[in-house]
Amino acid sequence: DAKTTQPPSMDCAEGRAANLPCNHSTISGNEYVYWYRQIHSQGPQYIIHGLKNNETNEMASLIITEDRKSSTLILPHATLRDTAVYYCIVRVVNNDMRFGAGTRLTVKP
Amino acid sequence: DTEVTQTPKHLVMGMTNKKSLKCEQHMGHRAMYWYKQKAKKPPELMFVYSYEKLSINESVPSRFSPECPNSSLLNLHLHALQPEDSALYLCASSGGLAGAGEQYFGPGTRLTVT
Repeated sequence: DAKTTQPPSMDCAEGRAANLPCNHSTISGNEYVYWYRQIHSQGPQYIIHGLKNNETNEMASLIITEDRKSSTLILPHATLRDTAVYYCIVRVVNNDMRFGAGTRLTVKP
Repeated sequence: DTEVTQTPKHLVMGMTNKKSLKCEQHMGHRAMYWYKQKAKKPPELMFVYSYEKLSINESVPSRFSPECPNSSLLNLHLHALQPEDSALYLCASSGGLAGAGEQYFGPGTRLTVT
């Protein structure tokens, strides 16, 4: 599976959009981009995934660049409960999941 | 029901003890996973079961012994652990073939080896 690069930490003001970037320049054509988050002392939680089209669900939006070498997870109106470590993972659907270091997002009042 | 349950929540054991961690899901998922997570580190994959058969063992020491008695249950048997094995142990499940689709995680068992 392709390697990902994420900033180690980011801050966001409560109520504003949180934009979390992920670089995956070695992504292959059959690899999906998955996002998970882990709130302190809890198990990771699935957020969203996509192949090449942008995706949106009730939690977030995923924007994937046309060359698929990077993506951005958008939390449209961040709340204090969105404070967590966010993991960007690139994988073939039938392959196992390997976590990188992730981005620690802190939402501030 | 999209819940994966893990018991116990916390476990303290000595290096000579034998204990087991339990994981259960009732989502009809046929792939189940054990991960280990040290403090301030990402989860690391340990074992993968697909259709109740062990499909991946990430070179985990034999003092960790997984077991999948049926499609809903996953156990991790612990014996002669070392203090460095203290960590959060996470169980996850996913539908269909191992790795397909999103994984649902349990809350974890926090293990302390004394």
